[in-house]
Amino acid sequence: AQSVTQLDSQVPVFEEAPVELRCNYSSSVSVYLFWYVQYPNQGLQLLLKYLSGSTLVKGINGFEAEFNKSQTSFHLRKPSVHISDTAEYFCAVSDLQGAQKLVFGQGTRLTINP
Amino acid sequence: DTAVSQTPKYLVTQMGNDKSIKCEQNLGHDTMYWYKQDSKKFLKIMFSYNNKELIINETVPNRFSPKSPDKAHLNLHINSLELGDSAVYFCASSPADKNQETQYFGPGTRLLVL
Repeated sequence: AQSVTQLDSQVPVFEEAPVELRCNYSSSVSVYLFWYVQYPNQGLQLLLKYLSGSTLVKGINGFEAEFNKSQTSFHLRKPSVHISDTAEYFCAVSDLQGAQKLVFGQGTRLTINP
Repeated sequence: DTAVSQTPKYLVTQMGNDKSIKCEQNLGHDTMYWYKQDSKKFLKIMFSYNNKELIINETVPNRFSPKSPDKAHLNLHINSLELGDSAVYFCASSPADKNQETQYFGPGTRLLVL
């Protein structure tokens, strides 16, 4: 079974500052890794995902994440945030085989201050 | 053009009642899911269906019964509602039941049981 830990429940940053949202996972098998974003009162949408290949993955809205197998981490970064990035961010993992079952972390609330 | 839609958006009801939530996707996807998001924003899968067949049933009380009349619809019926059922319920879909697929989420149904 897999588990996901998002180390920060809340991250406040100033507009145009860089941000990193941390995600660590635990699994006895290889996994696919995802970051989803939930804007206020909306459903989740995919930011980016790591399936294989280059460990640096670029997503929408200027976000990127780096897969680190030795540290079992998949941290999300953005070099300069905007007010519109205020949202809840979820890291998730999925087995490589079997029915797709996303296991989510607890979420990190990113608040951007002007 | 709403890709994944849910009705109703809000549902307030008394304990012991029976209620249904409807989900429709117009993306032509084969696989659909139900998730429960609790008050702490923790998101957990409940069910998944692939081409109208139940694939995942995650230790959900049998008061919850999903029904998929066709692959574009996945409804959730809840009998004898309890206070602990209060949550946001998200429907999602993906092109196929493959672990690398992106899931597309609906806007959620906010259920409050009094």
